[in-house]
Amino acid sequence: ETGVTQSPTHLIKTRGQQVTLRCSSQSGHNTVSWYQQALGQGPQFIFQYYREEENGRGNFPPRFSGLQFPNYSSELNVNALELDDSALYLCASSLGSGGTNEQFFGPGTRLTVL
Amino acid sequence: AQTVTQSQPEMSVQEAETVTLSCTYDTSENNYYLFWYKQPPSRQMILVIRQEAYKQQNATENRFSVNFQKAAKSFSLKISDSQLGDTAMYFCAAQMIKAAGNKLTFGGGTRVLVKP
Repeated sequence: ETGVTQSPTHLIKTRGQQVTLRCSSQSGHNTVSWYQQALGQGPQFIFQYYREEENGRGNFPPRFSGLQFPNYSSELNVNALELDDSALYLCASSLGSGGTNEQFFGPGTRLTVL
Repeated sequence: AQTVTQSQPEMSVQEAETVTLSCTYDTSENNYYLFWYKQPPSRQMILVIRQEAYKQQNATENRFSVNFQKAAKSFSLKISDSQLGDTAMYFCAAQMIKAAGNKLTFGGGTRVLVKP
């Protein structure tokens, strides 16, 4: 069974650029959640995708957007990058979107904005 | 909205000793799950232990156990017989069962250093 994978591992961008991060969910999982973890802090929920539809969003501006594909993999897009967007971005997948479903995390993508 | 608070930024413990990490949370919901996650330097978030709020019995997983006090909204983690591999950041998190979507709300983390 393949776990959650994310790409790339590390990424360096400059302020104002756009970035796309990718996540492949664990086999059989139809729900993907994205979290932002700033240095020294706990992860913050960005949004969740369930069966290709957004299913909940945290307190993040519209320049954070996402997609989920028919194979349940997902992308996180961030436009007009700001210095404060520098963080570890974690993806987590689960069997469903209900509150009883455990989330399984990927290794994260470290984004640095200069 | 739910909040999770971890008041200890860092804890150190001697190998083979016991350490207890504190966590408090706030929610108006009655049904939820609580978790402790471990995040080593490799960054992978690993589930340590899970507690269902409707269960009175405290969860245990080998050397890890929790003290769940629902009325006090407290959820502490005890690591017994600490090992060098336990060195990591530990995050407490809450997940509401009724809410649409199973998002996790995390605390700010406690860094645990196990000394030889």
